Amino acid sequence: GAVVSQHPSWVICKSGTSVKIECRSLDFQATTMFWYRQFPKQSLMLMATSNEGSKATYEQGVEKDKFLINHASLTLSTLTVTSAHPEDSSFYICSASFGDSYEQYFGPGTRLTVT
Amino acid sequence: AQSVTQPDIHITVSEGASLELRCNYSYGATPYLFWYVQSPGQGLQLLLKYFSGDTLVQGIKGFEAEFKRSQSSFNLRKPSVHWSDAAEYFCAVDGGYQKVTFGIGTKLQVIP
Repeated sequence: GAVVSQHPSWVICKSGTSVKIECRSLDFQATTMFWYRQFPKQSLMLMATSNEGSKATYEQGVEKDKFLINHASLTLSTLTVTSAHPEDSSFYICSASFGDSYEQYFGPGTRLTVT
Repeated sequence: AQSVTQPDIHITVSEGASLELRCNYSYGATPYLFWYVQSPGQGLQLLLKYFSGDTLVQGIKGFEAEFKRSQSSFNLRKPSVHWSDAAEYFCAVDGGYQKVTFGIGTKLQVIP
């Protein structure tokens, strides 16, 4: 149980375009979803936290107009990277939790390459 | 602010040997503590967690970790490593409100 999926697993886009990444909780209703970014050989950095039906809370230094997060339902959150640039290339991982649980369930990640 | 230190960036062990991965945290109280494993190009899988109670925690795949408050440590151990354990291991701390801070990770290499 507690499976989280991401789509796509890998995407290449041209500089200046936008790309959307989906995160779905497959067998539970996710009260909260999280988006992380991981640079090569580095740790995960929390980008933002979102609750269903509410605006996302962004971490300091994360541009909310560039990284649009929509938590449309209890099973779906999307991250849209707008006007992508090569420096946005990274591995994006989402996670989800439910209820008062402090445990987060992680998706498999999405590799974004901006050319 | 909370922080996590994993002092070993890369560790190499022989298959069948014992393993200990170090993790130290900084937080004003006792946080929630986690160990995750990440295979190349994959997401994170939870190995074990400590919230309260018994300071020796058993996890999946034969891993265990011991919380030592006096040392602010949460080291991960396995008595006999298998080649399939080669991966990157992340220690993480949650001081509340699901604000998780990850360590930089320890890459484990297993040699036959």
